[in-house]
Amino acid sequence: EVQLVESGGGVIQPGGSLRLSCVVSGFPFDDYAMHWVRQAPGKGLEWVSLISGDGGSTYYADSVKGRFTISRDNSKNSLYLQMNSLRTEDTALYYCAKDSARGGFWSGYSDYWGQGTLVTVSS
Amino acid sequence: SSELTQDPAVSVALGQTVRITCQGDSLRSYYASWYQQKPGQAPVLVIYGKNNRPSGIPDRFSGSSSGNTASLTITGAQAEDEADYYCNSRDSSGNRVVFGGGTKLTVL
Repeated sequence: EVQLVESGGGVIQPGGSLRLSCVVSGFPFDDYAMHWVRQAPGKGLEWVSLISGDGGSTYYADSVKGRFTISRDNSKNSLYLQMNSLRTEDTALYYCAKDSARGGFWSGYSDYWGQGTLVTVSS
Repeated sequence: SSELTQDPAVSVALGQTVRITCQGDSLRSYYASWYQQKPGQAPVLVIYGKNNRPSGIPDRFSGSSSGNTASLTITGAQAEDEADYYCNSRDSSGNRVVFGGGTKLTVL
């Protein structure tokens, strides 16, 4: 059974930093690209970032580029999102999601999602 | 702003057919995928690629595409299909992913 479990969310002041984690099981982690997707309260889904299976390629939405860093530790089946210089508009439920394409490719489709971890940026 | 455009809300009578659309330039190059999200739950992939359903998704869900428009069709909508539906694809550059703004489906 595929499982993705996020953690690390919380309440943080503007300008602060937070590191999210996602531990996965049930599939060969290093064979798949992984995404972070967020959803502000009452709003739609917003793609945040993607990392290739080997960690060698990363991509970011313009809204977070230069502030957020995606990484992974394949030995620990873990995905991370380091979030710096947080803004109130970063308040959202952050999901990690598995890309559907196996191997050195990524499709942009996510076939498995975690339940999310809530980040609240507020003074 | 989203590079994929969806109608904010659509309604359908129980048992009838409904089409939810998604427009964007990137859809001329990439297929859309579709997600269903119910309140308090994570999104669930319902359609991906040309017209593929993940295991466990009812065959009343289907997808199609023409030009810059992708469509999700529910044939014989059920009460449990009431949810928010999101499309996504790679963006026009191919180096990012974009989501549509979402469509709230009401089953009457």
